[in-house]
Amino acid sequence: GIQVEQSPPDLILQEGANSTLRCNFSDSVNNLQWFHQNPWGQLINLFYIPSGTKQNGRLSATTVATERYSLLYISSSQTTDSGVYFCAVERNTGKLIFGQGTTLQVKP
Amino acid sequence: AAGVIQSPRHLIKEKRETATLKCYPIPRHDTVYWYQQGPGQDPQFLISFYEKMQSDKGSIPDRFSAQQFSDYHSELNMSSLELGDSALYFCASSTWSVGYTFGSGTRLTVV
Repeated sequence: GIQVEQSPPDLILQEGANSTLRCNFSDSVNNLQWFHQNPWGQLINLFYIPSGTKQNGRLSATTVATERYSLLYISSSQTTDSGVYFCAVERNTGKLIFGQGTTLQVKP
Repeated sequence: AAGVIQSPRHLIKEKRETATLKCYPIPRHDTVYWYQQGPGQDPQFLISFYEKMQSDKGSIPDRFSAQQFSDYHSELNMSSLELGDSALYFCASSTWSVGYTFGSGTRLTVV
């Protein structure tokens, strides 16, 4: 099956810093989503981005489908950005496959 | 906007008991999914339904079963609960080109 690798596994930032999270996948996909899991366990959909670039406030994402990777950019990080960021993909299988996640801690 | 509704939010059961989790998908979403997330793990796919018919099955124990009803809500039934079943259980729904929306999850603790 398709493999999803996220890096880095852990990230500690000072409030106000910028960061880039990466997601590599082993095969072509027809769906790619980025999620934020907050400390209460909720999975919040950030982007549905099988290709191209999208922006939403301080967050933006780019997926280069031909090269099988996606990037999530967080600018001017805030303590509320802390949590686990998951990349998940689907390849005509009818289900999302998740990466292992990047755990982000933003310190005040 | 309507979201995926799951109930209950928290559930505590004893070993060997039975648990039922409920999920109400977003209206007009044609597919419902169940995922299990253990502590420190990524969510793992259990089972899905497309238009009320089971469409795919993952690593779901035989002790677990699920169905989708005529009103499109879905239930995950877990019997003979074990300590290792303690996890977050998510329901998600989707339709073509929209992506998946996850519910807030049910945190099951087996004691």
